[in-house]
Amino acid sequence: DADVTQTPRNRITKTGKRIMLECSQTKGHDRMYWYRQDPGLGLRLIYYSFDVKDINKGEISDGYSVSRQAQAKFSLSLESAIPNQTALYFCATSDTSGSVTDTQYFGPGTRLTVL
Amino acid sequence: QKEVEQNSGPLSVPEGAIASLNCTYSDRGSQSFFWYRQYSGKSPELIMSIYSNGDKEDGRFTAQLNKASQYVSLLIRDSQPSDSATYLCAVNSQGNTPLVFGKGTRLSVIA
Repeated sequence: DADVTQTPRNRITKTGKRIMLECSQTKGHDRMYWYRQDPGLGLRLIYYSFDVKDINKGEISDGYSVSRQAQAKFSLSLESAIPNQTALYFCATSDTSGSVTDTQYFGPGTRLTVL
Repeated sequence: QKEVEQNSGPLSVPEGAIASLNCTYSDRGSQSFFWYRQYSGKSPELIMSIYSNGDKEDGRFTAQLNKASQYVSLLIRDSQPSDSATYLCAVNSQGNTPLVFGKGTRLSVIA
């Protein structure tokens, strides 16, 4: 089984709808991240969480919210989807445990299309 | 603002040649450096990490780090068409901040 899973893998929705993307991990990592990727723009960090009680905004958090329900689960919500939120979304995890290495491991991605 | 710069490419190399991918970073306090490979439509996968100045080899891949010049590179020997992908450089300066990713270099290996 994959260590980092994302659901759904593909989603088509309409402008104004509320959408939730879910991420689960079995790696036992304390840190989780949400990124979006658009052609030519690279990975852009939306939100990150270093533990269950810690939530931090990334560079493009407007229009998004997150929930860290447990160490293993981190959800991303689009409260009112708009077409420019059409992108590939990745969840990632890392386990620093006091070290500086912070290697990130990515889920398979969710392709979201907002019409 | 911490920045990681990569040439977007595409970098085209013939099969069997050495591909050289470069990355520069702005934060002189950076301590951890990573190369990820990403195939189109897929998620990034870790190829190598490097933490000390010098070279680190893993199979056909060699990562090179020069902290004084603030650059890190990835060499791919005996390039294969299956190496055609986008390569992302990522840098971490402290344990309590997320990795900073470059936008990636697209590599095309021509058979």
